[in-house]
Order: sequence, then C-alpha cells, then structure tokens
Amino acid sequence: EAQVTQNPRYLITVTGKKLTVTCSQNMNHEYMSWYRQDPGLGLRQIYYSMNVEVTDKGDVPEGYKVSRKEKRNFPLILESPSPNQTSLYFCASSLAGLPSSPLHFGNGTRLTVT
Amino acid sequence: QQPVQSPQAVILREGEDAVINCSSSKALYSVHWYRQKHGEAPVFLMILLKGGEQKGHEKISASFNEKKQQSSLYLTASQLSYSGTYFCGSWGGGSNYKLTFGKGTLLTVNP
Repeated sequence: EAQVTQNPRYLITVTGKKLTVTCSQNMNHEYMSWYRQDPGLGLRQIYYSMNVEVTDKGDVPEGYKVSRKEKRNFPLILESPSPNQTSLYFCASSLAGLPSSPLHFGNGTRLTVT
Repeated sequence: QQPVQSPQAVILREGEDAVINCSSSKALYSVHWYRQKHGEAPVFLMILLKGGEQKGHEKISASFNEKKQQSSLYLTASQLSYSGTYFCGSWGGGSNYKLTFGKGTLLTVNP
C-alpha cells in the first residue's frame, strides 16, 4: 500500500531531551516536507526537501533539523525540545516538486514537551 | 505569508451549497485544496494551476483567479461526509518550493 509512515504517533518528552520523529514513504517521491499544526494557525511548513541533494527552510524552521540521506526517509530532529514545540506534526511527500503534484500526508505525530 | 481563508467556519444542512475562498497578497502560481477530518491527516482534493489547468476529484469544483490572486472551492449538494476543515495552500512560484497553507475553514454539515 502506498503510504507515508510516521513514527511514533504519540510522544511525550521533557524539555531539552533530543528526539527524532521518523518519516518514510514507499512511493518513490522526490519531494518531502514537514508541517506542524496548531489550533487556529493551520498547517505551517517547517522544512522541505526537493530531493536528496536539496533541503530548505519552510516558514517555521527554528528549533528543528532535518536530514535527507535517502530518498524514502526524511526524519525531523529536535535537538533541544521546548514546550512551545508541543504540536501535531505531519510529514508529507509528493511525486515531484510543486506546483502540480499533490501532497500525501502521514498520519501525524502528536508531540508533548513538558 | 499565509493565504487568507473565508469564512472561518460554516454550518450547512445536508443538500445545501457552500463556497470557501482563499486569497493571497502575493502572486499565485498554484493553489492546492485539502480536507482534514477530525483526528486524521489532510487529504488532497484539488490543484489549480496558473493558466487554467486543474487536477483533482470529479465531484469537487474550484476556480482560480490569477489576477485577483484568489481561489474558491465550491461544495454543492453537501453530504454529511463533507464535514471537516478545508485548507488552501498557495505556491508563489520561483525556486522557493514552499507550500503555505491558510488557517482553514471548518465546515459542518448537519442532517
């Protein structure tokens, strides 16, 4: 089944403890991206990657890192999480870059930082 | 800069129609529409491209006014399954491949 898989689905951690949220897609998509969703703010883009050679910042990249060593994987790294990073995170991928390819979203990771 | 969606929320009875608008202060080259049901991931509905091309589901219609930098999503003869939050995403062109979403429109369809 074609899908974007995120892990874990739920994560509770403490301030400052490094964590990684994994994202993997099995559709041979070139473009991958991370979004965070907060009530009343919609989906805000953190980072995106056009392909394994190109990664760039989205609108809210502060406090996050990403890595695209392989085409299928695009992990999100929080080196020192803070409570303001408590959010619902979505990974998404598309066959090619914008503008004409739809995004396929993973099921989300709900992160709580205490 | 996030595109602006209107209305923020709308309540319909089954069978009624609705229009959701998305406007941007910047030039638009493509607009994406997604629907998200509570507790689920957003799901693709439609892409509208500069020049008139559209990709998406047959039962969904939308318009894209490049001059006014606006897009509208038309939901006709609404069904209970249409309930959810609708997001538009805009891409302004160039080498910046950011897809910026609006804050969403909550649509509730009641029996």
